[in-house]
Amino acid sequence: AQSVAQPEDQVNVAEGNPLTVKCTYSVSGNPYLFWYVQYPNRGLQFLLKYITGDNLVKGSYGFEAEFNKSQTSFHLKKPSALVSDSALYFCAVTVKAAGNKLTFGGGTRVLVKP
Amino acid sequence: DVKVTQSSRYLVKRTGEKVFLECVQDMDHENMFWYRQDPGLGLRLIYFSYDVKMKEKGDIPEGYSVSREKKERFSLILESASTNQTSMYLCASSLLQRGAFFGQGTRLTVV
Repeated sequence: AQSVAQPEDQVNVAEGNPLTVKCTYSVSGNPYLFWYVQYPNRGLQFLLKYITGDNLVKGSYGFEAEFNKSQTSFHLKKPSALVSDSALYFCAVTVKAAGNKLTFGGGTRVLVKP
Repeated sequence: DVKVTQSSRYLVKRTGEKVFLECVQDMDHENMFWYRQDPGLGLRLIYFSYDVKMKEKGDIPEGYSVSREKKERFSLILESASTNQTSMYLCASSLLQRGAFFGQGTRLTVV
C-alpha cells in the first residue's frame, strides 16, 4: 500500500524567510509525486509534480521541490515566503500500477507572519 | 485549463435523507475520484472510477455509493445520510502524469 507522511501539522515562518514543508512517502515502484495548495473554502490547486528526470522541480508561485529517492522524501520549498503563501499544503503520491489513485498526506498548515 | 465543477458549494441535509453530490469535468478524463476532507485527516478516498460504469472502492466507501453513466459526470450518493458524514467533499479528475484537478468542494452538513 502507498502512504504519505507530512510530519508537521503547522509551519510558522516570517515573511521573507525560507519556507520548507516536509513530505515522505512509501510506495512499491517508481513514485509520481505532487504538491497541492488549498486556500480557505476552496478546492485544491496544483503546485508542482515529479514524474521523472531532474530531481529538482519548479512549480507555481515560486515553489520548488526536491525528490530524494534514498530518503523517500519530496520536500516543498520556497526561498522567500510571502504572507499570501499562508494556506494548507498537501503532498500526494501515486504509482502507475495504482491507476491514478492519489494518496494524500494529512496536510500542513503554513502561516507566514508579516 | 481543466474545469471540474461540483453542483453545490454548501448543502444542509437531515439524517436519513438520500443525498446526491454531482461532479462534472470537461477534459474527457477517464479517471474521476471522490474524496472527503476532515481536519487532521487530510483527504481520504471514498470511490474512484476509471471508465464509464466502472468503479472501485477507495479507503472509506462505507455508507456511500457512486454512479458514472457518462464519462464527464461522476456522482456520489449517500444512501441514508448520517451526522458522521458531515464533511467537505472534493471531486477530482486526472491524467496520470498531470495529477488531479479538483472541484471547489461541497461542504455537507447533516443535521
